[in-house]
Amino acid sequence: AAGVIQSPRHLIKEKRETATLKCYPIPRHDTVYWYQQGPGQDPQFLISFYEKMQSDKGSIPDRFSAQQFSDYHSELNMSSLELGDSALYFCASSSQAGTRQETQYFGPGTRLLVL
Amino acid sequence: GNSVTQMEGPVTLSEEAFLTINCTYTATGYPSLFWYVQYPGEGLQLLLKATKADDKGSNKGFEATYRKETTSFHLEKGSVQVSDSAVYFCALYYGGGFKTIFGAGTRLFVKA
Repeated sequence: AAGVIQSPRHLIKEKRETATLKCYPIPRHDTVYWYQQGPGQDPQFLISFYEKMQSDKGSIPDRFSAQQFSDYHSELNMSSLELGDSALYFCASSSQAGTRQETQYFGPGTRLLVL
Repeated sequence: GNSVTQMEGPVTLSEEAFLTINCTYTATGYPSLFWYVQYPGEGLQLLLKATKADDKGSNKGFEATYRKETTSFHLEKGSVQVSDSAVYFCALYYGGGFKTIFGAGTRLFVKA
C-alpha cells in the first residue's frame, strides 16, 4: 500500500541557511500534519492543513512556514536555521477529517542536521 | 488541557517475558487512542488504535483496551521478542485536522 513520502530523507545545512522539506500524503488523503522530534524527545506538533487551509497550529517558530498545494502535497520552509533545529521532521496524513475513524499515517521522516 | 502520561523507561525484559507499558490520559470529549512504535533510526509506525470506550486494539501480539473509567490505554504483550526492542508512544487524537498529543515514549529493551 502507498505510504506517506517525505523528501529529502537526510539534509545537512549550515546555520542561517534555509531548508525546504516536502511531504506527499497517501493518495486521497486531504489532511497533512508536520511534527518535529528532537533527540530522545516525543514528536512535537508544528502545523496542519486540511483541504489546503491551515487547520491547527502548534509550536512552530516564526522562521518556519508551510503550505499545502492543490495536489495535497505540503512543504515546510525553514529559514535562518539554528543548531536547535536539528531534528527528525515527520509528516503525517489522514483522510475522513473530523470522523472518529480518522487515523494519522506517518512518513519516514526527514533528518535535518544544522552545523 | 489534554495530555498523555506514560511510564518512564527504559524497560528491560528477557525474551518471552510479559510486557505492560502503562498509559493514562487527560482529555475532554472522546478522543481516539493510539500506540505508535519507533524502531532505532526509523519513523513512527502505527501499532494499534481504539476509537471508543471499551474498544480493544490489537496487532502483532500487542493489545490495549480503551478504559474510560480509568482513563487508561495500557499496552500489553504476552511474550516479547528481541525484535520488539523499540520506543513506544501512546497518543490521543481528535481528528479533524487537529494535532496528535504524544506521551514521552517508553524505550523497551528485550534481551535474548
